[in-house]
Amino acid sequence: NAGVTQTPKFRVLKTGQSMTLLCAQDMNHEYMYWYRQDPGMGLRLIHYSVGEGTTAKGEVPDGYNVSRLKKQNFLLGLESAAPSQTSVYFCASGRGDYGYTFGSGTRLTVV
Amino acid sequence: AQRVTQPEKLLSVFKGAPVELKCNYSYSGSPELFWYVQYSRQRLQLLLRHISRESIKGFTADLNKGETSFHLKKPFAQEEDSAMYYCALIGSGTASKLTFGTGTRLQVTL
Repeated sequence: NAGVTQTPKFRVLKTGQSMTLLCAQDMNHEYMYWYRQDPGMGLRLIHYSVGEGTTAKGEVPDGYNVSRLKKQNFLLGLESAAPSQTSVYFCASGRGDYGYTFGSGTRLTVV
Repeated sequence: AQRVTQPEKLLSVFKGAPVELKCNYSYSGSPELFWYVQYSRQRLQLLLRHISRESIKGFTADLNKGETSFHLKKPFAQEEDSAMYYCALIGSGTASKLTFGTGTRLQVTL
């Protein structure tokens, strides 16, 4: 039972490059989320999805896009990476009132 | 707008001492409050939620609506409690989205 799996775990990008972070869950959850974690700022919601084919903006969506083509997968894309996007990215699934299940995180550095 | 404030970035206590991690919130309705914990090199996990009024690993938290607080307490700190602690809130009509505080790092020393 894997829960929530994030790939890759680490990545270094050059400014202007693009990449996609993958989040996969095997718990049949409708709700999925992408957060970024920065020192002194806690976790901030980037985008979220309440079901297959739906996405919505969170608190800090600029510079990111997402897709939820399959219920179990939630992709986060950076079209043109910037140093300000250096962060640890966490995916979570489930309803917040029952408690999220988090992935192990992706540490992204943009140079 | 809903907001969660954790005023301490770092809390350092001795083993066996009481622990109180502060959390204050602002929300106009009836919130649901949670504590999440992140141990070193591990993923975030739910520690407890106010609605279940449970005690997990010796930690408790009481929702005080008058003071808009949800402080996390433990009478005797253990080394294994050293971790990052996040307070979080769900407001109504938010698709179960959690709003997190900035986190407090608890450091338990001998």
